[in-house]
Amino acid sequence: EVQLVESGGGLVQPGGSLRLSCAASGFTFSSNWMSWVRQAPGKGLEWVANIKEDGSTRNYVESVKGRFTISRDNAKNSLYLQMNSLRVEDTAVYYCARRAHGSSWSNFDYWGQGTLVTVSS
Amino acid sequence: QSVVTQPPSASGTPGQRVTISCSGSSSNIGSNTVNWYQQLPGTAPKLLIYTNNQRPSGVPDRFSGSKSGTSASLAISGLQSEDEADYYCAAWDDSLNDVLFGGGTKLTVL
Repeated sequence: EVQLVESGGGLVQPGGSLRLSCAASGFTFSSNWMSWVRQAPGKGLEWVANIKEDGSTRNYVESVKGRFTISRDNAKNSLYLQMNSLRVEDTAVYYCARRAHGSSWSNFDYWGQGTLVTVSS
Repeated sequence: QSVVTQPPSASGTPGQRVTISCSGSSSNIGSNTVNWYQQLPGTAPKLLIYTNNQRPSGVPDRFSGSKSGTSASLAISGLQSEDEADYYCAAWDDSLNDVLFGGGTKLTVL
């Protein structure tokens, strides 16, 4: 059974940093692009970043470029999101999502349960 | 700025058929496939329709998707109370190099 379990969320002050993790199991982690998708309280979904199977290519939404870094450790079946210079508007539930192998960029066939990041003073 | 647009709300009575629209542009829906997600209250999104009109295993055939030009639609027939959820469409945008989600449609079963 495919499982994605996020951790690392919490309360952080504006300007602070946080590192999210996503532990994957039940599939060959190194065979799939992975993404982070976030959802602000009461709002819709927003794609944040993705990373290629081998980590060689990464893409980001404009609003997080230069502040967030997506990475992965295939030996540990883990995905990460390093978030620096956090802003109040980064407050959201962050989901780890698997891109279906060989499918379109927006086809996320499995999602984690999410971890809440709150940026507030 | 490319935007994918959905109606904020939709409603229907049990047994009815409802449709949810998703409107985009040539750089996203017009040139890429559309996927649909269902988000039940308090839960993570779930893939509902992929590649415009394909259902993942386990998704009832009451759910169907279509795409024409720069628009797509999700249809739910035989509406049930458990279908009450938020629905999102999504597509890659070639201009932004981003995944774009529609704003979401809250479906209420009356």
